Amino acid sequence: DIQMTQSPPVLSASVGDRVTLSCKASQNINKNLDWYQQKHGEAPKLLIYYTNNLQTGIPSRFSGSGSGTDYTLTISSLQPEDVATYYCYQYNSGPYTFGAGTKLELK
Amino acid sequence: EVQLVESGGGLVQPGRSLKLSCAASGFTFSNYYMAWVRQAPKKGLEWVATISTSGSRTYYPDSVKGRFTISRDNAKSSLYLQMNSLKSEDTATYYCARGLGYRYNSLAYWGQGTLVTVSS
Repeated sequence: DIQMTQSPPVLSASVGDRVTLSCKASQNINKNLDWYQQKHGEAPKLLIYYTNNLQTGIPSRFSGSGSGTDYTLTISSLQPEDVATYYCYQYNSGPYTFGAGTKLELK
Repeated sequence: EVQLVESGGGLVQPGRSLKLSCAASGFTFSNYYMAWVRQAPKKGLEWVATISTSGSRTYYPDSVKGRFTISRDNAKSSLYLQMNSLKSEDTATYYCARGLGYRYNSLAYWGQGTLVTVSS
């Protein structure tokens, strides 16, 4: 199985900060990676698909990058409504696996 | 507007069965892959099952293979998850999700979830 390791587990940042979340796969996943945002008490929401494609309706401050085993979600200017847990998800090969999440908090 | 509404959750004893349903609306159901994803209380997300547009292909992780069956009725725009031989570790909120389209494994829309509690 492909293991997805997200770091850091918890990130505290201030409004306006540039924030970078990392996701590392245990083997090459050929960019078959999405990022999901889950706010407290809500269902997850797709932010970025296939590494760097912004889902419709998602603010342009969110962006994704990466290749091979290393992937990044960047928020260019953190907003209060971005407080959430962020999950990466690989579907390169089964079983499809999520990372454990990065909880993003306001400082 | 895309809507996915799960139902069928509840309290069930270990070893028993339960069937979840997901009613879809706002899109042509038969054109999209569908999936179930679960989340144990205060834990992360776990992929549970995926089904192709026609239902001819299904995919599962080992944790549920042989116990859970995903199916769909395109005429009724409905997705199902039959869960047998339930274990305490199956306790979770179960989300129904729709594929993005050509990136069919990307989960573009999610329901609000239905809670399954496995306990005696």
